[in-house]
Amino acid sequence: KQEVTQIPAALSVPEGENLVLNCSFTDSAIYNLQWFRQDPGKGLTSLLLIQSSQREQTSGRLNASLDKSSGRSTLYIAASQPGDSATYLCAVTESTDKLIFGTGTRLQVFP
Amino acid sequence: GAVVSQHPSRVICKSGTSVKIECRSLDFQATTMFWYRQFPKQSLMLMATSNEGSKATYEQGVEKDKFLINHASLTLSTLTVTSAHPEDSSFYICSARGLQTQGSFFYEQYFGPGTRLTVT
Repeated sequence: KQEVTQIPAALSVPEGENLVLNCSFTDSAIYNLQWFRQDPGKGLTSLLLIQSSQREQTSGRLNASLDKSSGRSTLYIAASQPGDSATYLCAVTESTDKLIFGTGTRLQVFP
Repeated sequence: GAVVSQHPSRVICKSGTSVKIECRSLDFQATTMFWYRQFPKQSLMLMATSNEGSKATYEQGVEKDKFLINHASLTLSTLTVTSAHPEDSSFYICSARGLQTQGSFFYEQYFGPGTRLTVT
């Protein structure tokens, strides 16, 4: 059974810092991995999607990497801002097309 | 494109009553819709997958007679929580994927804003 874990569970940093959020999954047979952002009481916003054949994806200040063989992904946030405060979720897609979500990292960026 | 809406955004109901949540794809045909539940400070758990015109496939541990899912059209799926109890209070989120207006199929799921259900 696929399990997705995110470390750390919570993170509080001053504005301007560069951050690394970690995601690990137990079964490397995935189709893709996706990073989402969720604001309190809101739905999910897709940030980056990495296909299983890819190593990384970039969007603005965000960079996500994927090492499928070791079951790891990282989300790098450059020059963090208070507006980046949210919960970040990673999810893997399996052959059944199901999204298996991680436990999330709650990020707070203070001015 | 690929916008998904949910209605209502919040609902409070009394124990024993039923409540219906709607999930709509606004600018594409949703051939598949997914329903998730999220308890406070926990991650999303898939409840069921529904393909348009077919019966929903429920995940293990999800009671299909309690959580009725209907996906009768390519733009609408509904989740009805029957005989709701306080332990059903949760945040329910739907997602959808399907055909864009140009006819190309996309696998990526697009999520609705969620519905906060409180059962008193």
